[in-house]
Amino acid sequence: EAEVAQSPRYKITEKSQAVAFWCDPISGHATLYWYRQILGQGPELLVQFQDESVVDDSQLPKDRFSAERLKGVDSTLKIQPAELGDSAMYLCASSRGLAGGGNEQFFGPGTRLTVL
Amino acid sequence: DAKTTQPPSMDCAEGRAANLPCNHSTISGNEYVYWYRQIHSQGPQYIIHGLKNNETNEMASLIITEDRKSSTLILPHATLRDTAVYYCIVNQGGKLIFGQGTELSVKP
Repeated sequence: EAEVAQSPRYKITEKSQAVAFWCDPISGHATLYWYRQILGQGPELLVQFQDESVVDDSQLPKDRFSAERLKGVDSTLKIQPAELGDSAMYLCASSRGLAGGGNEQFFGPGTRLTVL
Repeated sequence: DAKTTQPPSMDCAEGRAANLPCNHSTISGNEYVYWYRQIHSQGPQYIIHGLKNNETNEMASLIITEDRKSSTLILPHATLRDTAVYYCIVNQGGKLIFGQGTELSVKP
């Protein structure tokens, strides 16, 4: 069964350092999402891509976060500089198209970030 | 934005049906209801979705009231591996807005 791949699974960094997360969606999925999940809360959407274009980045803290999906396949989320409050699980998801009925999102295992 | 309300936690005996309720009184006519679950330290897992009609798949059944203001996810024979946080979500223009979910504990 096809899965969304993410790496690394765990990342520990010091504040003010740069970190990057990678996501490879399910083959053929045009839409890719990055979520952040703080412990004890539900995931929160950071950015949504349709192919290589950003559809929604309204919740992305653009002063320190950036995301790209250059060839419309895999994607990278970067944080520079990392802050203590960025400690969270970062989840990637993909779907065949813009999610509505029948375009469910499939999630990867996530990257657990700890900022010291 | 259509929001959902779920009980924070529920218990269920192993082998019994687990019925998880969700209120979504402000849902619009073309918005789907989605259910996901998240087992500790894993990514959310899609369970089922529906618009108006009741739906069933190999994992669960989804019962949506006629006025669409509430729904119930049914796990017919809960196992210990069904212990997880269950999220009821109204899909809004392609966006999944997660709430706090219901923490289901299946007990032997």
